Amino acid sequence: DGGITQSPKYLFRKEGQNVTLSCEQNLNHDAMYWYRQDPGQGLRLIYYSQIVNDFQKGDIAEGYSVSREKKESFPLTVTSAQKNPTAFYLCASKNWDSLEKLFFGSGTQLSVL
Amino acid sequence: EDQVTQSPEALRLQEGESSSLNCSYTVSGLRGLFWYRQDPGKGPEFLFTLYSAGEEKEKERLKATLTKKESFLHITAPKPEDSATYLCAVQPPTGRALTFGSGTRLQVQP
Repeated sequence: DGGITQSPKYLFRKEGQNVTLSCEQNLNHDAMYWYRQDPGQGLRLIYYSQIVNDFQKGDIAEGYSVSREKKESFPLTVTSAQKNPTAFYLCASKNWDSLEKLFFGSGTQLSVL
Repeated sequence: EDQVTQSPEALRLQEGESSSLNCSYTVSGLRGLFWYRQDPGKGPEFLFTLYSAGEEKEKERLKATLTKKESFLHITAPKPEDSATYLCAVQPPTGRALTFGSGTRLQVQP
């Protein structure tokens, strides 16, 4: 079945540590997205990528980095510069500029030790 | 700047008590409005897409409507399994990503 796989489901970060969240899709979508969700809040856009080897900052990109070396993969690194990383992180994909729905992964809960 | 405001933030209903959730938006050139349902600790699940004012879509106990300024998600005779957070999002003109509202947390008590 086609879908989006995020891993790990739970992740703990020590102070000063960088951590990487994985996102893989087999839907053949060209665009991929990372959203952050804080408790009781909506989704805020961190980064998005329209095509391989290209990506743009969203509304809250500071303290995060991404890469898009393959169409299927869009990993997110939470760097030590992100001082408040505890949140639920969601990866999504769709065909760029289409009006089809956004497909979501099951999320990664990141917490600080 | 695109803005999406959802109200109320939280809603508690008795089973069978119908109600509506509101999504107000400000976006130049709306291309589509999406409704999603999200259970705790999970990714959002797609419910509806609305493209133009006057459009309506239904699925089981849910009905979504769209005007030029807002969308409503009507829940008829809700059941406890309808308890979730309902998210609204707008698709602006070409080249920009979806903008989400903060959601409405719905609790349906038996």
